[in-house]
Amino acid sequence: QSALTQPPSASGSPGQSVTISCTGTSSDVGGYNYVSWYQQHPGKAPKLMIYEVSKRPSGVPDRFSGSKSGNTASLTVSGLQAEDEADYYCSSYAGSNNHAVFGGGTQLTVL
Amino acid sequence: QVQLQESGPGLVKPSETLSLTCAVSGYSISSGYYWGWIRQPPGKGLEWIGSIYHSGSTYYNPSLKSRVTISVDTSKNQFSLKLSSVTAADTAVYYCARHPQLGTIDYWGQGTLVTVSS
Repeated sequence: QSALTQPPSASGSPGQSVTISCTGTSSDVGGYNYVSWYQQHPGKAPKLMIYEVSKRPSGVPDRFSGSKSGNTASLTVSGLQAEDEADYYCSSYAGSNNHAVFGGGTQLTVL
Repeated sequence: QVQLQESGPGLVKPSETLSLTCAVSGYSISSGYYWGWIRQPPGKGLEWIGSIYHSGSTYYNPSLKSRVTISVDTSKNQFSLKLSSVTAADTAVYYCARHPQLGTIDYWGQGTLVTVSS
């Protein structure tokens, strides 16, 4: 079971948009619409930002959006704000063996 | 509001068994959902350890499967993790969590640091 692949870092200036990718295989990201994204600030538990590829939980700003094409899912943060600076992780259902798998994480810096 | 709280020893000796419990409030485990454990070594990423469905079916990370046991106690509304034969590589913050489905976590505990050291 391999981790999903994310870029280690991403950055953008306030007000700009940034997109973080999450690449898996047809056995996880590409095979199911159960991709989630989490935001984690230092010393805190992760927070669910996107689930089922593109759905936002109540309370998550609509500046956060998700999509998927083939084996790659993406998280886009529009109108970057200082408080968006955090680590972001993707996860996916891996149905062949009823597993879950995480990405390695992306550190987002707001310049 | 669903709340999860991990408890257990913060220090475990090498080769021993790590045992943690997650107390759930605001929701009855027996009503549904998956309940799982995730860990995060210091300065590193998240790793799914395994989960248990409310019915008792278990699902484990293949890389840890031989050492992991997850169980549920519906009478106490809590579930537990046992990880045997620990080494320093098992040092991590351990989170308990609720999953609507495997791969999605909607509620997390605050996490507890477990250090493996003699």
